[in-house]
Amino acid sequence: GNSVTQMEGPVTLSEEAFLTINCTYTATGYPSLFWYVQYPGEGLQLLLKATKADDKGSNKGFEATYRKETTSFHLEKGSVQVSDSAVYFCALYSSASKIIFGSGTRLSIRP
Amino acid sequence: NAGVTQTPKFQVLKTGQSMTLQCAQDMNHEYMSWYRQDPGMGLRLIHYSVGAGITDQGEVPNGYNVSRSTTEDFPLRLLSAAPSQTSVYFCASSQGFSGGYGYTFGSGTRLTVV
Repeated sequence: GNSVTQMEGPVTLSEEAFLTINCTYTATGYPSLFWYVQYPGEGLQLLLKATKADDKGSNKGFEATYRKETTSFHLEKGSVQVSDSAVYFCALYSSASKIIFGSGTRLSIRP
Repeated sequence: NAGVTQTPKFQVLKTGQSMTLQCAQDMNHEYMSWYRQDPGMGLRLIHYSVGAGITDQGEVPNGYNVSRSTTEDFPLRLLSAAPSQTSVYFCASSQGFSGGYGYTFGSGTRLTVV
């Protein structure tokens, strides 16, 4: 069946460091892919998305490229800030109107 | 624009009690869903609805009931609470069913069953 696997956390970085959070997926066809972010005490917010192979989603300095050949959708940011501390979820749209989420990666940024 | 509103934010129940978690959206979204979030397990789909009068089961539906009498509201009912239902519950809505639409989430209900 369809599934999403993302790197386990927590990930701890210093401010202005480069960020990569790995995400790979298993699915038939060409699913849409998403990254969501959850700040403490809040619900999930859509960060970016890509709907077809080679698409690049971007928002707030974050980017992710839909790689069909490696079934990956890694999240990157060139220079993280303390305010980026949150839990990040990779997700894919499966059939039957469902979005499948990964288990989440907690990111902590040190000043 | 309120988005997705969930009430209550916190709730403590005794084993065997029943309760309803409320979810309302003001965006005229057809699709609504309920997820539970547990540590290390991400979000798991409980029930979803593709429009008023239409509901279906997700990955973990046991112990939960839903109904959708209006486009705006999608309540989740726990008929007889169990400690295994201790979790954070999120309601989400979307304007469409295709893969291009993301979800708008509520802020969650933290439920503890003792």
